[in-house]
Amino acid sequence: GDSVTQMEGPVTLSEEAFLTINCTYTATGYPSLFWYVQYPGEGLQLLLKATKADDKGSNKGFEATYRKETTSFHLEKGSVQVSDSAVYFCALSDFRTGANNLFFGTGTRLTVIP
Amino acid sequence: SAVISQKPSRDICQRGTSLTIQCQVDSQVTMMFWYRQQPGQSLTLIATANQGSEATYESGFVIDKFPISRPNLTFSTLTVSNMSPEDSSIYLCSVEGVTEAFFGQGTRLTVV
Repeated sequence: GDSVTQMEGPVTLSEEAFLTINCTYTATGYPSLFWYVQYPGEGLQLLLKATKADDKGSNKGFEATYRKETTSFHLEKGSVQVSDSAVYFCALSDFRTGANNLFFGTGTRLTVIP
Repeated sequence: SAVISQKPSRDICQRGTSLTIQCQVDSQVTMMFWYRQQPGQSLTLIATANQGSEATYESGFVIDKFPISRPNLTFSTLTVSNMSPEDSSIYLCSVEGVTEAFFGQGTRLTVV
C-alpha cells in the first residue's frame, strides 16, 4: 500500500543554516505529494505541493521536487529562520484515482536557534 | 480553499467519560475526514464521514469507540467514548479540495 518514510528528528539548526528534510514514498498509483507544517499550538497548514513528476513546489523559501526515479520529495530551505521552528510532515495522496485520504510521514520537529 | 473551525481546541477529561469534538466548514463538502495524532507520532485516519450515510472506519477504529455524526454538508462531530489515557491525542478534522486537503486547528485531548 501507499506509505511515506520521513527523516526522523528532531533537527536543531542555527539561524541561516541550510535545511534538508528527507522524504521518500511508496505508491501504486500516481500520487500528489505534500509538505504540511504544524507551528506550535496550531493546526496543520499546507506548505507546498507537487502533483506530478519533476514538479517543484515552493513556498516561503522552502522547495521540494517530485522525483519519480528516486520516489523522493525532500524539503529544502537555503536559510532557515527562528520562525520556521515547527513540525514538518511529508504526505501523499492520490486524489486522481479517488483515494482521498492522506498518508503522512511521522513528522520532523525543527528547532531553529538564534 | 476551505476554512475549518474545530472545537474545543483542548480539553482535559476524566477516564471513562466521553468528549464530542465539533467541526464546522465554511463551504459544503461531500466528505469530511477525522484524524488522530498520538504524541510523537504521525497522523492516522480514523474515519471518513459522508453526509447521509454511516461513516467508514479504518482498520483499528470502531464506531462504538468513535461515533461520528454528519448531519449536513458543513458539519460533523467525532465522539471519543469511554476514554482512557491512551486516547490522549490531537484529533483533527479535514476536508478535501481539488488537489489538497484542509485541516482544522485540532483538538488536544488529555485523559487523566
